Amino acid sequence: EIVLTQSPATLSLSPGERATLSCRTSQSVSRYLAWYQQKPGQAPRLLIYDASNRATGIPARFGGSGSETDFTLTISSLEPEDFAIYYCHQRSNWPLTFGGGTKVEIK
Amino acid sequence: QVQLVQSGAEVKKPGASVNVSCKASGYTFTNYAMHWVRQAPGQGLEWMGWIYAGTGNTRYSEKFQGRVTISRDTSASTLYMALSNLRSEDTAVYYCARGATPTNGNCFDPWGQGTLVTVSS
Repeated sequence: EIVLTQSPATLSLSPGERATLSCRTSQSVSRYLAWYQQKPGQAPRLLIYDASNRATGIPARFGGSGSETDFTLTISSLEPEDFAIYYCHQRSNWPLTFGGGTKVEIK
Repeated sequence: QVQLVQSGAEVKKPGASVNVSCKASGYTFTNYAMHWVRQAPGQGLEWMGWIYAGTGNTRYSEKFQGRVTISRDTSASTLYMALSNLRSEDTAVYYCARGATPTNGNCFDPWGQGTLVTVSS
């Protein structure tokens, strides 16, 4: 199975700062990578699919990039509601797999 | 609007089985894939399996093969997940999720609210 490694595990930032989250895959997934946001006690929410496409209703401050094995989620200017855990996910190969998550916390 | 509403929390003993349901509304049920994803307490997300609601075709993670059955009732627009031979490690929140689009069935959007399954003697 394809292993997804997210870094850092925790990112401590202040509102207004830029967040850069990384996801590396153990083999190429082309651009079949998605990002989800999860807040405490809530289900995950799709942010980005196919590496760089924002899902419906997702603000423009969320951006995705990358291909093959290296991907990045960027939040250009953190809003208070953006402090959460972010997961990457690949749909290139079965079984579908997720990264371990990056927690973005308030500094 | 598209909505997935799951059944309530369950408490089961080791060795028992659990059935979780997920009622869909706001879209044509048979045009989309549906998935089950679970999350153990304080842990990450784990994909369990998939069904295409139109045909009933399924695919399971090897980790759960033989213990999980995903099915659907198209007349009720409802998805089901049955997990047998429960052990304590199966304690988790179980989520249903729809494929994001008819042609991108393996991204998850939206998700149900989650069902907590607790396995304890």
